[in-house]
Amino acid sequence: KQEVTQIPAALSVPEGENLVLNCSFTDSAIYNLQWFRQDPGKGLTSLLLIQSSQREQTSGRLNASLDKSSGRSTLYIAASQPGDSATYLCAVKDGTGFQKLVFGTGTRLLVSP
Amino acid sequence: DVKVTQSSRYLVKRTGEKVFLECVQDMDHENMFWYRQDPGLGLRLIYFSYDVKMKEKGDIPEGYSVSREKKERFSLILESASTNQTSMYLCASSFRPGGIDTQYFGPGTRLTVL
Repeated sequence: KQEVTQIPAALSVPEGENLVLNCSFTDSAIYNLQWFRQDPGKGLTSLLLIQSSQREQTSGRLNASLDKSSGRSTLYIAASQPGDSATYLCAVKDGTGFQKLVFGTGTRLLVSP
Repeated sequence: DVKVTQSSRYLVKRTGEKVFLECVQDMDHENMFWYRQDPGLGLRLIYFSYDVKMKEKGDIPEGYSVSREKKERFSLILESASTNQTSMYLCASSFRPGGIDTQYFGPGTRLTVL
């Protein structure tokens, strides 16, 4: 059964710092991997989606990488801002399941001014 | 822009009540999903639907049922609410074909069962 782990559970950084969030998964037979952002009490917003054949995706200050063989993904945030404060969730779409996403428990990020 | 709406942001019900949570999407998406989110457990899939009147059990379907009579609407039903169903409920939709797609989420309904 696929399991997704995110480390650290919480992270606090000063504004302007570059940071890396980690995601690992136990079964490398994935279809794709997504990173989501969730603001307190709100739904999820998709940030980046990486297909299993891709190595990375970029959007603005965000860069996500995927290493399927080692079961790892990282989300790199450059020049962090207070507005980046949120919980970041990683989810994999199992290659065996129909459209099912398996989520990690998230990393809660706080960027201080 | 894709819009997924949920009928209530906050809901308080009593044990034993029948509860309906409604979700509507406006992008003609084939697939719709219901998740619950609990601290330390993350999001867990309750049910999903890949077509009108079709439904599939997710990882934690016990105590829940669903209805999809129209393509844009997916309802989650708690037949007899219990306190352990207090949670944040999130609806999502996605476009078929599978693969190069993403799930779009609604704002969530925080349900409290007293």
